[in-house]
Amino acid sequence: DQQVKQNSPSLSVQEGRISILNCDYTNSMFDYFLWYKKYPAEGPTFLISISSIKDKNEDGRFTVFLNKSAKHLSLHIVPSQPGDSAVYFCAASTTSGTYKYIFGTGTRLKVLA
Amino acid sequence: EPEVTQTPSHQVTQMGQEVILRCVPISNHLYFYWYRQILGQKVEFLVSFYNNEISEKSEIFDDQFSVERPDGSNFTLKIRSTKLEDSAMYFCASSRLQGFGQPQHFGDGTRLSIL
Repeated sequence: DQQVKQNSPSLSVQEGRISILNCDYTNSMFDYFLWYKKYPAEGPTFLISISSIKDKNEDGRFTVFLNKSAKHLSLHIVPSQPGDSAVYFCAASTTSGTYKYIFGTGTRLKVLA
Repeated sequence: EPEVTQTPSHQVTQMGQEVILRCVPISNHLYFYWYRQILGQKVEFLVSFYNNEISEKSEIFDDQFSVERPDGSNFTLKIRSTKLEDSAMYFCASSRLQGFGQPQHFGDGTRLSIL
């Protein structure tokens, strides 16, 4: 079941630069997308979400972009900070009937000081 | 900020034994979930629970699994007869409502090790 894919297992970025994390999905019924951050020995922490009626949502340093025609979303972190180093998961859901989240495999971001 | 809390943080159990994983969801949340993550794999949905009933369960959630909300605060996952392949990190999550703008909030997980 590969409905949500994060093709980059890891990413290294210099402090202060932009981090771009990507996520692709295959199920056109998904209409709610989320990004979670996970530190070791902790649970996923909600970062930001977007519904399918929008193509961009911004919260401070974090912006999520959604391209429905390409079934692609991305998370931009600007500027990146060393504390952003973590594993980032994208998740997708349908808001009609079922609200379970389908997660990607995660991208490990390392922000270098 | 309110949190989802899970106990224990690590549970070691002999194969075939019953195990109960405990969760205290955020107090005003109405929807509860269990997910698991086998080492090196994705976080996978197990079950959702609302109004004292299972709303949805995955194919992983077979007859060996059960969930319960025994009182107003706890939400438990029971595995009756554990198997080696049940070894995983189990995450509890809760949300106040469902839908846009109502993200699920996760606990720090229970690492279950089956020997």
